Amino acid sequence: AQSVTQPDIHITVSEGASLELRCNYSYGATPYLFWYVQSPGQGLQLLLKYFSGDTLVQGIKGFEAEFKRSQSSFNLRKPSVHWSDAAEYFCAVGPYGGATNKLIFGTGTLLAVQP
Amino acid sequence: DGGITQSPKYLFRKEGQNVTLSCEQNLNHDAMYWYRQDPGQGLRLIYYSQIVNDFQKGDIAEGYSVSREKKESFPLTVTSAQKNPTAFYLCASINAGAQGNQPQHFGDGTRLSIL
Repeated sequence: AQSVTQPDIHITVSEGASLELRCNYSYGATPYLFWYVQSPGQGLQLLLKYFSGDTLVQGIKGFEAEFKRSQSSFNLRKPSVHWSDAAEYFCAVGPYGGATNKLIFGTGTLLAVQP
Repeated sequence: DGGITQSPKYLFRKEGQNVTLSCEQNLNHDAMYWYRQDPGQGLRLIYYSQIVNDFQKGDIAEGYSVSREKKESFPLTVTSAQKNPTAFYLCASINAGAQGNQPQHFGDGTRLSIL
């Protein structure tokens, strides 16, 4: 069965430090992978997506993610974190359900940024 | 600008009462989705609709109902049968012609609480 695991529920980093958020998936074929960010009380904003090709994808706000098929991972990285990056981050995989374009979401990682 | 509008932002329900959450999109998207978000559980799919006058149950449809009379509108009713309705509800949409490689677009959510 398809699934997404974000092992870290909560991460705290210092401003200016590097960041890596982990995402592991289980999927029967080559998945489409997404990272979304959610500020408190807001909807989800797409950071980046992977479909095929170059396994290192660049997104908005200086984020990048690397698809590693052998490890079934799609970790999100940022070289230098800003206080405004404090938010909850969700990894998602799809599609499942045929043409319904449904996504499976991880449980999220809450990022806190220390000054 | 095109987008998804959810209203109200905050909603309170009395015991035994049905309430309806609004979701309107002007993106000309065919497919629309309703998710429920609880702390530590990520997003869970309630209902989805790929075309007008058609919708399917998601993973946690019990106690909820939807309609899709217009392409741009996909209201969600939380019925009295839903015993634990307190949650953050997110509406999303996508062009149904997409081959699974287009991201879902999200509204800003409605927070429902029990009085």
